[in-house]
Order: sequence, then structure tokens, then C-alpha cells
Amino acid sequence: QVQLQESGPGLVKPSETLSLTCAVSGYSISSGYYWGWIRQPPGKGLEWIGSIYHSGSTYYNPSLKSRVTISVDTSKNQFSLKLSSVTAADTAVYYCARCGIAVAIDYWGQGTLVTVSS
Amino acid sequence: EIVMTQSPATLSVSPGERATLSCRASQSVSSNLAWYQQKPGQAPRLLIYGASTRATGIPARFSGSGSGTEFTLTISSLQSEDFAVYYCQQYNNWPLTFGQGTRLEIK
Repeated sequence: QVQLQESGPGLVKPSETLSLTCAVSGYSISSGYYWGWIRQPPGKGLEWIGSIYHSGSTYYNPSLKSRVTISVDTSKNQFSLKLSSVTAADTAVYYCARCGIAVAIDYWGQGTLVTVSS
Repeated sequence: EIVMTQSPATLSVSPGERATLSCRASQSVSSNLAWYQQKPGQAPRLLIYGASTRATGIPARFSGSGSGTEFTLTISSLQSEDFAVYYCQQYNNWPLTFGQGTRLEIK
């Protein structure tokens, strides 16, 4: 069974960089599929941030592209998110998931709340 | 970017009745449309993919229909556990986009 688990700081200061990692178990990232990040501000809807293929090919949400970097470490079977220059508007629950083109999002992490505050 | 618009924003239905949720895409997404259910404090759960195929373990009272730009999620005979927020999502084009959600509440 495929499982995803997010990890990283729950509190980030404004203007700093948010960093999260998603560990995948039950499936080898190198076997295929896109893997990505989705966020949900408190009380609001879902926003796709970006996705990465095991080869390193990435796609980002244009609204966040200038601040986002997603990377993959196939040796550790995990992928990571970096979001720079954060503000309070970046406060959200961040989910990692198996998400890409032509495939629905069938596996999600439990989500981790990241608060941007000084 | 494909904009997904869900209606209504909130739907009040009595247990045992049928609920019909709509999702419209700003351009064709073929059948690359999914529906998710989200309960408070939980990650979304995949209900329907390919516009009409139930995901593993999803009860038969959930059904999806449509293609192109117009889609519908129908829940027949609502159970207490079905009251939640529902999102549609297109996975036909980058960027992936979601609808704003429909809150299904008990009448």
C-alpha cells in the first residue's frame, strides 16, 4: 500500500524559506508517476503547487513558480518542496500526493500545517 | 489555465435524499476529471476518476457523469457520513486545477 508522509517545520518566519519533505513507502518513485504538493489555507480550497517526475522534470503553478522548487531523491524515495519569501498568505496545510497529468490524485499524505509568523 | 467552477457553493439535503453537485470547466478536459470528498481535519479522498469511474472502495451510491466541460457528481440516498466538502479537479492540462468546493450539509 502506497503511503506518503510529510515532514518539516510547522512554523516559518516571514521572508524565509518553507521546506518540506515527503517520504514515500510502498512504491518506488523511480517506477513512474508524478509526485507533487498541494496546499489548503485554513477554511479555504485546494491549490496545486507543483509536481515532479522521477527524472526530475517539473511543472509548477504559474502563480507560485517564481518562488517554488520541487526536487526528488530517488535513493531515499522522497521528494521535497521549497517555497521562498513566504508571507502570512502561505500559511496552509501542505499535502504531498501522487499527482500529475492523466492520473487522478489517488494517494495523499495526511497533511502538515505550516504557519508563517514572526 | 483551466478554471473549474462548482455549483452550488453549499447544498442542504436531508439524509436519504439525493444530492447533485455540478462542476464546469472553462475548456474541455475530456474525461480527465476527478471528484474528491474532504472531511474536517482529513486529507481529500478520491471518489471518482475518469469522470465516471468509482475509486476503490467507494460505495455505489456515488456516481459521476459528464465529459468535456460539464460534469456531475450524484450521491443517491445520502448517509450521515456523506456530509462533507466535495471538490472536482481536472488533470487534463498543466496546471492542475480544482473547483472551489461544494459543502454538502444536513438539512
